[in-house]
Amino acid sequence: QQQVKQSPQSLIVQKGGISIINCAYENTAFDYFPWYQQFPGKGPALLIAIRPDVSEKKEGRFTISFNKSAKQFSLHIMDSQPGDSATYFCAARVRGQGGSEKLVFGKGTKLTVNP
Amino acid sequence: DAGITQSPRHKVTETGTPVTLRCHQTENHRYMYWYRQDPGHGLRLIHYSYGVKDTDKGEVSDGYSVSRSKTEDFLLTLESATSSQTSVYFCAISLTSGFTGEKLFFGSGTQLSVL
Repeated sequence: QQQVKQSPQSLIVQKGGISIINCAYENTAFDYFPWYQQFPGKGPALLIAIRPDVSEKKEGRFTISFNKSAKQFSLHIMDSQPGDSATYFCAARVRGQGGSEKLVFGKGTKLTVNP
Repeated sequence: DAGITQSPRHKVTETGTPVTLRCHQTENHRYMYWYRQDPGHGLRLIHYSYGVKDTDKGEVSDGYSVSRSKTEDFLLTLESATSSQTSVYFCAISLTSGFTGEKLFFGSGTQLSVL
């Protein structure tokens, strides 16, 4: 099953709060889990990523938590700011033809951080 | 920065007409991808390429074809456009060397409307 299930669809957080977005998957062949951030009118951009041999990765205010046994991973945004308002996509990597690899994306979470 | 140019940026066409979208990159990256983005569906892979004349289908390839006759150009063709193909189309390249698609860099997108 090459799907990544993402929740919630939308999220409203106050400035300074913690934003949490969750993703779940079934395919144990997935071997890399990035998060992408997309602002209106722009293409998605890589935000942070984690491999399944690590349980947590932190970059500034952004943290990925990974639970391999539960097949779940989440993005935490600490001290959320209005500038973080964007759509966030989780993704998982799967191998394709000719040694290539491709990303399967969740459906996205629209985050609004109120001032 | 990776240079990706998508053209056209906006297009309105009629049902039944063929449409070709172009993705041009300037840095000889091997892996290129076409995604479509629709509300409630996130980003879905249409086709991808792992080299000149080497392409493979993604999860929503029906009604689309691709060609890559040279490294820098990846063309997406809607053979006979339908209203269900109204979407935002993103081209992406893999910025990492080797076989990984883990750092996708996306273009700015093409807004296609099929009337």
